[in-house]
Amino acid sequence: DTGVSQDPRHKITKRGQNVTFRCDPISEHNRLYWYRQTLGQGPEFLTYFQNEAQLEKSRLLSDRFSAERPKGSFSTLEIQRTEQGDSAMYLCASSSPLAPGELFFGEGSRLTVL
Amino acid sequence: DAKTTQPPSMDCAEGRAANLPCNHSTISGNEYVYWYRQIHSQGPQYIIHGLKNNETNEMASLIITEDRKSSTLILPHATLRDTAVYYCIVRPPPLNTGTASKLTFGTGTRLQVTL
Repeated sequence: DTGVSQDPRHKITKRGQNVTFRCDPISEHNRLYWYRQTLGQGPEFLTYFQNEAQLEKSRLLSDRFSAERPKGSFSTLEIQRTEQGDSAMYLCASSSPLAPGELFFGEGSRLTVL
Repeated sequence: DAKTTQPPSMDCAEGRAANLPCNHSTISGNEYVYWYRQIHSQGPQYIIHGLKNNETNEMASLIITEDRKSSTLILPHATLRDTAVYYCIVRPPPLNTGTASKLTFGTGTRLQVTL
């Protein structure tokens, strides 16, 4: 068990470009979450998948953001037409149905938009 | 979601017990109290959770008051590696059977363990 892995760990991009982050959850976990964290704040919920179904989305997830989990395994989070306000740490977490409140987080993907 | 209130920061001497308080006066009867911590530059880490009874595991103890309006996370022998931001979260029940509910993080308590 290698835990939750995220890629890339760091991404620097220019405003207006598209970026995509990938998350590989713990293999037996069917639930996957995306959070965003800015400096000095706690993580903010973005969206949640149960298997391949996206069951909940935050209003923070504007139409420039899209998340997928096509086969119920890995997930991608894409941000289109990035803005400087999108600069943040994007955290992925997964959990087992046996312990749904016990989230295992990855180390995050840090996005800097210039 | 029930709101939690935590002190922004606390200090603790290494080897002493760290007692981190959390107020959740609007908690509902079926909402659990969860604690996570986040060490600098890492993702949050689950510590412990409880509903009504006190709980203990290898990391910490959780004391929930009888009226459930507050709780305390206890690290019995704090070490420098326990320096982190600690989040107290009240988790609502899922919207639908068989699904999960999200965790809503606040700004937490920054615990500094010193020599």
